[in-house]
Amino acid sequence: ETGVTQSPTHLIKTRGQQVTLRCSSQSGHNTVSWYQQALGQGPQFIFQYYREEENGRGNFPPRFSGLQFPNYSSELNVNALELDDSALYLCAYRSAGIAKNIQYFGAGTRLSVL
Amino acid sequence: DQQVKQNSPSLSVQEGRISILNCDYTNSMFDYFLWYKKYPAEGPTFLISISSIKDKNEDGRFTVFLNKSAKHLSLHIVPSQPGDSAVYFCAARTINNDMRFGAGTRLTVKP
Repeated sequence: ETGVTQSPTHLIKTRGQQVTLRCSSQSGHNTVSWYQQALGQGPQFIFQYYREEENGRGNFPPRFSGLQFPNYSSELNVNALELDDSALYLCAYRSAGIAKNIQYFGAGTRLSVL
Repeated sequence: DQQVKQNSPSLSVQEGRISILNCDYTNSMFDYFLWYKKYPAEGPTFLISISSIKDKNEDGRFTVFLNKSAKHLSLHIVPSQPGDSAVYFCAARTINNDMRFGAGTRLTVKP
């Protein structure tokens, strides 16, 4: 149990639609990252938020956007969905202090785009 | 751009024997490496890590070895237990503090 909650657990959308995924942590850690994990691959870094500001981004187009709120919860928004966006989306909160390199992951949201 | 590679998609080991999972990387700027374990329907769970200034880190049955000259790290599990059966991901930290993950190795420990 990592204390990281993601919702919804599963989602089905059609091509061209928009989707919002949510993530929160019980721990109050202020750095959250989002990852896309396609079938048979490892998690691919989308972006990271620190204190409500994006401070790192992977190789994903602008239609992938995010928000972090004052309570450090976060959203991932994807516009104009494409079939290849079908994947498991993971969020992770970074620990603080001496364990700051460790990320704690949620169970993910499985997105299917039809 | 796959900077972290796990070339073995699967590994099967007998209970009680050693499991060795391998990982190679290409970016010499990585300065921290981690192993995560993932069960079905759960997110990856942190297992063990190593800083680039060390060549070995041990935690109970788990040991991670780092060979910087070869850009190679490995995870040893001794003795292996059926509960260790999971997908194991190797990850490396970039200078921007985000993580690059390998594709994972599915470990099966047979009773």
